[in-house]
Amino acid sequence: DAGVIQSPRHEVTEMGQEVTLRCKPISGHDYLFWYRQTMMRGLELLIYFNNNVPIDDSGMPEDRFSAKMPNASFSTLKIQPSEPRDSAVYFCASGNKGRFNGYTFGSGTRLTVV
Amino acid sequence: DQQVKQNSPSLSVQEGRISILNCDYTNSMFDYFLWYKKYPAEGPTFLISISSIKDKNEDGRFTVFLNKSAKHLSLHIVPSQPGDSAVYFCAASGDDKIIFGKGTRLHILP
Repeated sequence: DAGVIQSPRHEVTEMGQEVTLRCKPISGHDYLFWYRQTMMRGLELLIYFNNNVPIDDSGMPEDRFSAKMPNASFSTLKIQPSEPRDSAVYFCASGNKGRFNGYTFGSGTRLTVV
Repeated sequence: DQQVKQNSPSLSVQEGRISILNCDYTNSMFDYFLWYKKYPAEGPTFLISISSIKDKNEDGRFTVFLNKSAKHLSLHIVPSQPGDSAVYFCAASGDDKIIFGKGTRLHILP
């Protein structure tokens, strides 16, 4: 099992550009989460899916952010247009119901918007 | 509005001694509490959890204590080892999602 795979690992983009982050969850996992880590806010939940359906997107900061999960093996988080304050590490996590075992995180995408 | 709070950004402990990381929460509806460990350039990894119906859970060198009346939990690491140097996130769940604190950076000193 390759774990949760995120791409790219690093992304540097100019303000105003569109950014797309990708995630491949672990096969068989029903839940997929997108988190953002910053120094100020720590690890904050942006959105999560259950069986490819968005359940809670209340953490998405603005309309510039959107997420999709077209199938059980792929999800994207898109920022359009990007701004310098979006610079952060974005994590994807997946798992099955049963929070006591936690969810498995990917290695993250470090986004820098200049 | 932080529902899970880790008030100590960092902690230094001598190797071999006990490390105690603390966490407070505000939402009484949380029914599971978890600790994650994170190394630089890696994602957080699950360490240990506890159900709200228990007050203690132990796994090897790691023990989590829960005080529901105080809305407080702590992670004890005994004995502390150099490989324990990492950022530790406290987390809580009341439904399918997990809410994290800001983390505490633990330094194990030789």
